[in-house]
Amino acid sequence: RKEVEQDPGPFNVPEGATVAFNCTYSNSASQSFFWYRQDCRKEPKLLMSVYSSGNEDGRFTAQLNRASQYISLLIRDSKLSDSATYLCVVIGGYSTLTFGKGTMLLVSP
Amino acid sequence: EAQVTQNPRYLITVTGKKLTVTCSQNMNHEYMSWYRQDPGLGLRQIYYSMNVEVTDKGDVPEGYKVSRKEKRNFPLILESPSPNQTSLYFCASRNSGDTQYFGPGTRLTVL
Repeated sequence: RKEVEQDPGPFNVPEGATVAFNCTYSNSASQSFFWYRQDCRKEPKLLMSVYSSGNEDGRFTAQLNRASQYISLLIRDSKLSDSATYLCVVIGGYSTLTFGKGTMLLVSP
Repeated sequence: EAQVTQNPRYLITVTGKKLTVTCSQNMNHEYMSWYRQDPGLGLRQIYYSMNVEVTDKGDVPEGYKVSRKEKRNFPLILESPSPNQTSLYFCASRNSGDTQYFGPGTRLTVL
């Protein structure tokens, strides 16, 4: 099993839709979790951290399920500007950082 | 402004001509890393450094060297570039367990 796995997509959704991505991780000792957003040919940028209690930032909600070893990202009321690749990031033992390969989201008018 | 800078941003070179891509961060971060990103392969770590004079190989270190003589700088050296090193390169920095900040990327083409 790969360390961090994501569905590569693309997820094609219309504006206004709700879309959710999952990311599974294999290391049960993983400590910190993040979602990054990457626009084409640009650097990844932090979207949000993921906490055990879940956290929300506007239209974005992130959840962590330690028992099943996955994190999720929910985007409500999708905008055209949400089109990007979303990367799952996991920090494990010895502070090692592992990226998923990303999930591509395409929001259409 | 907190940032990671890389230079050059774009480089076209020829096989075998040594090159260095510089990376600098102004956040006093302990950890610095280099990644390459290729279509369908995601971000792959080349080398990382946990502090000054402490470096280690990542997933794809062949053909690359790094050094960490100062905390803020982490240059990537290609002693003899080859066409398979044509890629988009990102430098990044963070503190232990913390969010990672990326540089703007260097697009390298080796002919």
